[in-house]
Amino acid sequence: QVQLVESGGGVVQPGGSLRLSCAASGFTFSSYGIHWVRQAPGKGLEWVAFIRYDGSNKYYVDSVKGRFTISRDNSKNTLYLQMNSLRPDDTAVYYCAKNRMTYGSALDAFDIWGHGTMVTVSS
Amino acid sequence: EIVLTQSPATLSLSPGERATLSCRASQSVSNYLAWYQQKPGQAPRLLIYDASNRATGIPARFSGSGSGTDFTLTISSLEPEDFAVYFCQQRSNWPPTFGQGTKVEIK
Repeated sequence: QVQLVESGGGVVQPGGSLRLSCAASGFTFSSYGIHWVRQAPGKGLEWVAFIRYDGSNKYYVDSVKGRFTISRDNSKNTLYLQMNSLRPDDTAVYYCAKNRMTYGSALDAFDIWGHGTMVTVSS
Repeated sequence: EIVLTQSPATLSLSPGERATLSCRASQSVSNYLAWYQQKPGQAPRLLIYDASNRATGIPARFSGSGSGTDFTLTISSLEPEDFAVYFCQQRSNWPPTFGQGTKVEIK
């Protein structure tokens, strides 16, 4: 079935780095833009980053620009989020989520979400 | 960025009752608004996209309406599995933003 599975979360000290992965299956990964969305404990949802289906365009929320890098490997059906210079306020569950429509607008509703991976930034 | 304000923060209702949730945008988002349901420990699930279109597999008791700045999610008759948190999200402008959520709890 259509699914996204995140991995790579963990506990890291402030200033440290982590790379998250999101493995896709059950759909044509290379046809969809994919997002990272995070949720701090007990809080709401915050969009983090987006990459177009072919990797040609990337967008970031201001608070992670220059620190996080989104990328994808369509040959491996996998999305990545490289997170550097991590701060305590980056602590959250990180979800990957796919656009509802193929190609098309980068901005879309998110129709499939992974289960999330927890990132804790603490000394 | 576009700010989405959801109301009320908490809605206390009984099974079988009608739930009406509101989402107001700080500027027009046309009809580019989605609704999600999230249960504890789970990922969000898409319910409604483009203001009024039910996503695949979503029961007919969920409906969405509105355009511009004011939107409504209606659950016509609450089932036990509908007690959850609901978020709205706009896809009109970068960055995509979410409302802070409305919790629908059992009265």
